[in-house]
Amino acid sequence: AQRVTQPEKLLSVFKGAPVELKCNYSYSGSPELFWYVQYSRQRLQLLLRHISRESIKGFTADLNKGETSFHLKKPFAQEEDSAMYYCALSAQGAQKLVFGQGTRLTINP
Amino acid sequence: EPEVTQTPSHQVTQMGQEVILRCVPISNHLYFYWYRQILGQKVEFLVSFYNNEISEKSEIFDDQFSVERPDGSNFTLKIRSTKLEDSAMYFCASRLGPTNGYTFGSGTRLTVV
Repeated sequence: AQRVTQPEKLLSVFKGAPVELKCNYSYSGSPELFWYVQYSRQRLQLLLRHISRESIKGFTADLNKGETSFHLKKPFAQEEDSAMYYCALSAQGAQKLVFGQGTRLTINP
Repeated sequence: EPEVTQTPSHQVTQMGQEVILRCVPISNHLYFYWYRQILGQKVEFLVSFYNNEISEKSEIFDDQFSVERPDGSNFTLKIRSTKLEDSAMYFCASRLGPTNGYTFGSGTRLTVV
């Protein structure tokens, strides 16, 4: 069975400080990992997927298979980054996404 | 940018009543999904749908649930006899192909009283 763990329900940092949102997963095969963001009262939006290796809005995430992690990082947080962030996994050949519980990120001015 | 549209945004229903949640996926997408999120809990997969049939479903998706693509544009989730524990945010999603990203709708908040 696949599982995604986001250990922090809440994370608060000051504007300009580095941000790291943790995500660990449990899956024996080759996963596809995603980060989704949900701004206040808006839809879930894809932020990153590990296979594309893009940097969106200054965020990056690296898949570490040894540590089974896919942490989301940004060197300098901005106030507009305040949102709910979800890490999700798709198993090889599977249709569904398995989500973590989410981390509410608050950027303080 | 194309969007997945869900209606209504909020529905209140009495326990035991049937509800139909509606979604209009992106027009050229072929894979369709329903997820739900009970307040304070994680987003959970319900069902995936491809080529006019269910391709995968979770244990949550029991006989009380059904999905349909009645025409070329709508994708519906029906709950036959709602229970209090069905109260949740229901998200529809679609994607073009099995290796493409998912696009989510803004959700329908279902409240069962």
